[in-house]
Amino acid sequence: NAGVTQTPKFRVLKTGQSMTLLCAQDMNHEYMYWYRQDPGMGLRLIHYSVGEGTTAKGEVPDGYNVSRLKKQNFLLGLESAAPSQTSVYFCASSHLGGGNSNQPQHFGDGTRLSIL
Amino acid sequence: AQSVTQLGSHVSVSEGALVLLRCNYSSSVPPYLFWYVQYPNQGLQLLLKYTTGATLVKGINGFEAEFKKSETSFHLTKPSAHMSDAAEYFCAVSRYTGNQFYFGTGTSLTVIP
Repeated sequence: NAGVTQTPKFRVLKTGQSMTLLCAQDMNHEYMYWYRQDPGMGLRLIHYSVGEGTTAKGEVPDGYNVSRLKKQNFLLGLESAAPSQTSVYFCASSHLGGGNSNQPQHFGDGTRLSIL
Repeated sequence: AQSVTQLGSHVSVSEGALVLLRCNYSSSVPPYLFWYVQYPNQGLQLLLKYTTGATLVKGINGFEAEFKKSETSFHLTKPSAHMSDAAEYFCAVSRYTGNQFYFGTGTSLTVIP
């Protein structure tokens, strides 16, 4: 059981380049999330999805786009990468459940992205 | 609005000593609270969670946390630190809409042999 899988694990981009980060989960979770982790700032939510075909903005959405065409996949896109987007990106997923604020989120191992 | 404050970005303890990592939250509604651990170059793993019921919650690896509503706190403890406990620890509170989580800035735990 793989859980949450992120690809790629590492990537170096030049300013202005574009790329897509892929997240796949095999737990049939309804909710999926993208975070960025920066030193001293914890994890900040970029975008999230409450189901296939839906997306919503989180705390720091600017410069990113997302898509959830299939329930198991959640893609994070950078259209024109900037050095400020150098970070570690984490994908997570969770069940809906009853009373949907009490389901833990399950995390991937992260993608380390450097923008030169 | 919800926020999470973790006091102390770095905590050092001796092996075998008590571990205490502090977390305070602000929430306009009764919260759901979580502690996660992150080992180097890995994702976050769930240690324990509080939803309803008993306020003392036991988690994996001998950790536990107590929800104190009057103090708006959810501190993480372990009676005896082990070298393998060295990691980054994050406290989080969840929001009803979309099960959004708000994370604290993390506490790095160092265990001294």
